[in-house]
Amino acid sequence: RKEVEQDPGPFNVPEGATVAFNCTYSNSASQSFFWYRQDCRKEPKLLMSVYSSGNEDGRFTAQLNRASQYISLLIRDSKLSDSATYLCVVNTHGGATNKLIFGTGTLLAVQP
Amino acid sequence: NAGVTQTPKFQVLKTGQSMTLQCAQDMNHNSMYWYRQDPGMGLRLIYYSASEGTTDKGEVPNGYNVSRLNKREFSLRLESAAPSQTSVYFCASSDAVSYNEQFFGPGTRLTVL
Repeated sequence: RKEVEQDPGPFNVPEGATVAFNCTYSNSASQSFFWYRQDCRKEPKLLMSVYSSGNEDGRFTAQLNRASQYISLLIRDSKLSDSATYLCVVNTHGGATNKLIFGTGTLLAVQP
Repeated sequence: NAGVTQTPKFQVLKTGQSMTLQCAQDMNHNSMYWYRQDPGMGLRLIYYSASEGTTDKGEVPNGYNVSRLNKREFSLRLESAAPSQTSVYFCASSDAVSYNEQFFGPGTRLTVL
């Protein structure tokens, strides 16, 4: 079983739609959680961290459920520019080194 | 600031050839990383360097070596390239104190024939 699992998609949605991505992780000792965004043929970039209480950044809302080992990302009012692959990322190691485990990503295509 | 830079951007090798991928960061970060990204596999850690002078194996180190030349530079070497090493290679760096964001370079697309 992969340490971090995501639905690969693609999710094809019209502009203005609300879309949600889910992710599960296997290591209950995982300490920190993130969503990264990767545009086609580009490098990954941090979209947002995910906190236990849930957090929001504009149109983006991230939720964490430690009991179910489940992370979600909600995008409201989708824009064409949101089209990208969204990577669920977990830090299971902590300590002095930031070692991240990446999911395979969920592809979002926002249609005009 | 250029952030994280990688050279070359593209490379084609024949089986058995060697090459070194270069990475440099100008953010004064302590930690640096090498990943490979393959379709359906996600990003996998090859080697990392928690600080200048130290290197450690990641998830998929076989067939690779690394050198942390100084605080800025972290190179990845393929001694005898194999077709299974065809991939996109990303270098990243992070501030060890924050533990959060890793900053990635633009990647090197490597094909081994």
